[in-house]
Amino acid sequence: AQSVTQPDIHITVSEGASLELRCNYSYGATPYLFWYVQSPGQGLQLLLKYFSGDTLVQGIKGFEAEFKRSQSSFNLRKPSVHWSDAAEYFCAVVADQFYFGTGTSLTVIP
Amino acid sequence: GAGVSQSPSNKVTEKGKDVELRCDPISGHTALYWYRQSLGQGLEFLIYFQGNSAPDKSGLPSDRFSAERTGGSVSTLTIQRTQQEDSAVYLCASSPTGGRTYEQYFGPGTRLTVT
Repeated sequence: AQSVTQPDIHITVSEGASLELRCNYSYGATPYLFWYVQSPGQGLQLLLKYFSGDTLVQGIKGFEAEFKRSQSSFNLRKPSVHWSDAAEYFCAVVADQFYFGTGTSLTVIP
Repeated sequence: GAGVSQSPSNKVTEKGKDVELRCDPISGHTALYWYRQSLGQGLEFLIYFQGNSAPDKSGLPSDRFSAERTGGSVSTLTIQRTQQEDSAVYLCASSPTGGRTYEQYFGPGTRLTVT
């Protein structure tokens, strides 16, 4: 069965620090992978997606993610976090449908 | 252009009452999805429409839940005889097609509270 695991429920970082949010997936075939961000009271917004090709994917707002097949991971990174990045982040894998992780809540300290 | 809209944004209802949640997808999007987001949980898939038909209803948690889509556009999710465990944020998303490679565009959600 397909599944997505985001092991970190909550992460706190200082503004300007680097960020890495972890995502591990379970899927037998080539995965289609997504990262979404959800700000309070808002719907989910797509940050980036991976289908094939270059395993390092660039997204909006300065985010990037790297697909590592050997580790079944698709971790999200940002070199320097801004206060406006505080939000809930969801990783998703697409099989017959979208499977979302339980999310990682990011707090940014000024 | 307009994004996905949902109404109401908040709904408080008494246990046992029926509720209807509405979703207006992006114009021209043929695929429409409903999800449920409970506190501390990820998104739980409920149902998927391609046009007016629902090829995948596998996520509906019970027969109290139903959904329809008319004219290939607006969709309504109905919950009958609501229970407290139905309290959640209900998210709607649309996509240009139902293919796996297309991203889904999400609405802001309807927060349902059952008292």
